[in-house]
Amino acid sequence: DGGITQSPKYLFRKEGQNVTLSCEQNLNHDAMYWYRQDPGQGLRLIYYSQIVNDFQKGDIAEGYSVSREKKESFPLTVTSAQKNPTAFYLCASSSLAGVGEQFFGPGTRLTVL
Amino acid sequence: QKEVEQNSGPLSVPEGAIASLNCTYSDRVSQSFFWYRQYSGKSPELIMSIYSNGDKEDGRFTAQLNKASQYVSLLIRDSQPSDSATYLCAVNQGGKLIFGQGTELSVKP
Repeated sequence: DGGITQSPKYLFRKEGQNVTLSCEQNLNHDAMYWYRQDPGQGLRLIYYSQIVNDFQKGDIAEGYSVSREKKESFPLTVTSAQKNPTAFYLCASSSLAGVGEQFFGPGTRLTVL
Repeated sequence: QKEVEQNSGPLSVPEGAIASLNCTYSDRVSQSFFWYRQYSGKSPELIMSIYSNGDKEDGRFTAQLNKASQYVSLLIRDSQPSDSATYLCAVNQGGKLIFGQGTELSVKP
């Protein structure tokens, strides 16, 4: 089955720790995205990548880092510099040749203890 | 002014009624518009895409786009309790999607 997978589903972090969220897709999509969602709010773009080995900052990139070494994978690291990391993190992908439809993975809920 | 605005709701409609969800956007050059449905605790699911002025129907869902007035709407006919969710409007700007805050819909049996 084609789709987007994210792991883990739930993640707990102590203050001062870095954590990495996994995102994998087998849709052969060129573009991948990371969003953050806080309760009662819309989605805010953290980072996006339109091609392997290239990525751009979104609206709230401070305290986060990404890599895009393979087309299928776009991991997100939440660093200790991110002061309020507790949120629902969503990964999405889209075909670069398409018209912008994005499809989402199931999400990772991160809680800082 | 927010780039994409939606009424936060909650919008409550009785079962079988038509639910009307509205969205306005600020960037006149936007060409692609999307509606996502998000159940509580789940990720957004794409339900409608629209690119041209007018109406686009898919089952019980109709998306309406008016580029001159910069608004896009979603109508849900014969609303069901299973339609209760938050509906997110998204507008494509330069290859990135800009999301509204979402409208919470509650369909009462």
